[in-house]
Amino acid sequence: GAGVSQSPSNKVTEKGKDVELRCDPISGHTALYWYRQRLGQGLEFLIYFQGNSAPDKSGLPSDRFSAERTGESVSTLTIQRTQQEDSAVYLCASSLDPGVAGLAGGVETQYFGPGTRLLVL
Amino acid sequence: RKEVEQDPGPFNVPEGATVAFNCTYSNSASQSFFWYRQDCRKEPKLLMSVYSSGNEDGRFTAQLNRASQYISLLIRDSKLSDSATYLCVVNPTDSWGKLQFGAGTQVVVTP
Repeated sequence: GAGVSQSPSNKVTEKGKDVELRCDPISGHTALYWYRQRLGQGLEFLIYFQGNSAPDKSGLPSDRFSAERTGESVSTLTIQRTQQEDSAVYLCASSLDPGVAGLAGGVETQYFGPGTRLLVL
Repeated sequence: RKEVEQDPGPFNVPEGATVAFNCTYSNSASQSFFWYRQDCRKEPKLLMSVYSSGNEDGRFTAQLNRASQYISLLIRDSKLSDSATYLCVVNPTDSWGKLQFGAGTQVVVTP
């Protein structure tokens, strides 16, 4: 079946502009995650959605970052007034309901999209 | 101190050899552990989950040592296609959805 998709695949923008990144999770996956990966570094957790609500926003780096999810499907990550340090790959992942996976004895597996490469000039 | 720490490598491994590397984690209450593989400029993909005292999947063996708070990955009979960065991932019990990623260990398998 279709995996996680993200758009755009690449985005070049000027400092100070706003950008919107999109993630389409795997159908049926209620959990959705956003991560950031700077060049040569590990993944940095940004935010996690369970359905349309975000129980954990602790990773958002500043108030310039926001995310929303509607219809328990598509999510958008918005970065306002972009800065050069925002340049990174933004990865989205989805999984089955972590609670359900836990009860079933399974282990939550996150499936990643190909990412959006953001370059702020 | 980082929550998940890995030796960045690179580990240069002759084809056919065995390579092993560790990952340490700081949250003693963590219950779920994973190894992900990330190829250059690609997204991470699950390699294997790590259960209780460890598990094996083909040429890959993962071990968990709760007392010392580390997990390991061993690759036997290395293939050129095993060249990648291996990410250690921990799911702390107090934040089910928030995986903690190590920065990765780079493995380069040479002919």
